[in-house]
Amino acid sequence: GQNIDQPTEMTATEGAIVQINCTYQTSGFNGLFWYQQHAGEAPTFLSYNVLDGLEEKGRFSSFLSRSKGYSYLLLKELQMKDSASYLCAAVRSNDYKLSFGAGTTVTVRA
Amino acid sequence: GAVVSQHPSWVICKSGTSVKIECRSLDFQATTMFWYRQFPKQSLMLMATSNEGSKATYEQGVEKDKFLINHASLTLSTLTVTSAHPEDSSFYICSARSGRLNEQFFGPGTRLTVL
Repeated sequence: GQNIDQPTEMTATEGAIVQINCTYQTSGFNGLFWYQQHAGEAPTFLSYNVLDGLEEKGRFSSFLSRSKGYSYLLLKELQMKDSASYLCAAVRSNDYKLSFGAGTTVTVRA
Repeated sequence: GAVVSQHPSWVICKSGTSVKIECRSLDFQATTMFWYRQFPKQSLMLMATSNEGSKATYEQGVEKDKFLINHASLTLSTLTVTSAHPEDSSFYICSARSGRLNEQFFGPGTRLTVL
């Protein structure tokens, strides 16, 4: 079965850093995605980690530890437009299905 | 990244009618397409997996006779919501995957409102 956990809500101020944690228990694990979703829109791809370690992409970084079943998304230099829901999703190797967490709503305040 | 389109982007229909939603991969061939449903303030729930030329596989609790899926070509999958009811009102999102990548590319979604 699949079990993806992430916090429900986080609030931070503009210019700050926020770290969104995600733990997963997935059979046949083959990588972890992070998506950003604004209200009423489809998810947009942020990152994909399949190996342990940190992947940095501009203001966003994502980390994965396969042995711990743990990932985080780091958002730096927060901007108002970063207010959105952030979804972590684990992919299975046998059928490529994504299992999504419930999403973390990040609110950036001035 | 690859582009996936959905049509229509929104639809309002009367209870009892059927609605067809199209999902197209515009610049790549999608060996697999996935259909998700998302209720307000909830995460995406996988409904079914659609492979070109074969029958779709449905997740537990999803009625295959109500949500008809056709994947006629490597660039097109359709979801038909038959005899729609107000509880079917939701945001329906498709994604497409090419054979070489794990990444799924999401369409913009279709908002269905059943009156």
